[in-house]
Amino acid sequence: ETGVTQSPTHLIKTRGQQVTLRCSSQSGHNTVSWYQQALGQGPQFIFQYYREEENGRGNFPPRFSGLQFPNYSSELNVNALELDDSALYLCASTRGTNPTDTQYFGPGTRLTVL
Amino acid sequence: AQSVTQLGSHVSVSEGALVLLRCNYSSSVPPYLFWYVQYPNQGLQLLLKYTSAATLVKGINGFEAEFKKSETSFHLTKPSAHMSDAAEYFCAVSDQENAGKSTFGDGTTLTVKP
Repeated sequence: ETGVTQSPTHLIKTRGQQVTLRCSSQSGHNTVSWYQQALGQGPQFIFQYYREEENGRGNFPPRFSGLQFPNYSSELNVNALELDDSALYLCASTRGTNPTDTQYFGPGTRLTVL
Repeated sequence: AQSVTQLGSHVSVSEGALVLLRCNYSSSVPPYLFWYVQYPNQGLQLLLKYTSAATLVKGINGFEAEFKKSETSFHLTKPSAHMSDAAEYFCAVSDQENAGKSTFGDGTTLTVKP
């Protein structure tokens, strides 16, 4: 059983650019959640996808968008990058939407916006 | 709305000493509570979770936590610290309606001195 993988591991962009981050779920998992972890802070929930549909969103502007594909892999897209978008972006997959399901986190993508 | 407060952003203990990391939560509905560990440049790993069963929860690597509703607390303990326990620890809360959409605390960095 493979774990959650994310790509790329590091990324440097400039203000105003757009970025796409990718997440491959753990085998058998149909739910993916994305989190933003700024330096020195805990992860903040961005949004969740369940069976290719958005299933909840945190307090993030619309320039943060996502997709989930039929194989349950997922993308996080951020448009019009701002300096404050610099963070570690984590995805986590679960088997379903049961609150007792364990979330398995990927290693994250470190985004730096200059 | 839910929130988590982790008291003490940095905790330092000697090897072999008791580890106590504090977490208080706020939730208007019955909570689900989690402790995660994060090693440098890695994602989060679940240590243990409370899902309304036993109030004393045992996790991996010798950690345990006790859910105390009256104190709205879910403190993490380990009887004897090991050098390999040095990491950042996050407490998180969710609930029945927000599975996989956890609210995290800002983390506690645990240092273990030889």
